[in-house]
Amino acid sequence: DAGITQSPRHKVTETGTPVTLRCHQTENHRYMYWYRQDPGHGLRLIHYSYGVKDTDKGEVSDGYSVSRSKTEDFLLTLESATSSQTSVYFCAISDRRGGMREETQYFGPGTRLLVL
Amino acid sequence: SQQGEEDPQALSIQEGENATMNCSYKTSINNLQWYRQNSGRGLVHLILIRSNEREKHSGRLRVTLDTSKKSSSLLITASRAADTASYFCATDALFAQKLVFGQGTRLTINP
Repeated sequence: DAGITQSPRHKVTETGTPVTLRCHQTENHRYMYWYRQDPGHGLRLIHYSYGVKDTDKGEVSDGYSVSRSKTEDFLLTLESATSSQTSVYFCAISDRRGGMREETQYFGPGTRLLVL
Repeated sequence: SQQGEEDPQALSIQEGENATMNCSYKTSINNLQWYRQNSGRGLVHLILIRSNEREKHSGRLRVTLDTSKKSSSLLITASRAADTASYFCATDALFAQKLVFGQGTRLTINP
């Protein structure tokens, strides 16, 4: 999985509790992404980062926040988890550079989150 | 809404047969990519085709792109049981900093 780890790999939590998922890369890639994958919806972008402390919203960002204090780590926080956030979460990285119009993303193994 | 939409949603064929899946998209793109996802795993990049290319090959994979119809197809020849997976197209739209993925085609290869 191209030097990408996600932790935890599985988590069960209760509605209303905060949850933080971690993505760690050893590739020194500039871009990092958080997706959620749900049946019938495919892969949807939550947030992404284009550098340390530089982040932007994706398609389904409500209820999620992110932080990137180091190149290698990208954290996804569910401020107050809801049952609708039960999903599989994937982190991805890419080495897209300014002016480079081709980007391949490399995915982590995923985190299965169940919100009861 | 998703930029790319795959068709069919599910495909089941016999080992040795060819598998074709299609992707349609809505806006102008820089390139289109195909990814594979094995059950319980992350996505893996298969092939990228640029907007000025019409066909590309990689091993048993053949990808075509028709920008006038905003569509692409992925052909897997001589399928094997190990090709059983979900396949996603992803579009890299003009002026975007991110890929947009379709909902995927679930391919089952029967021995």
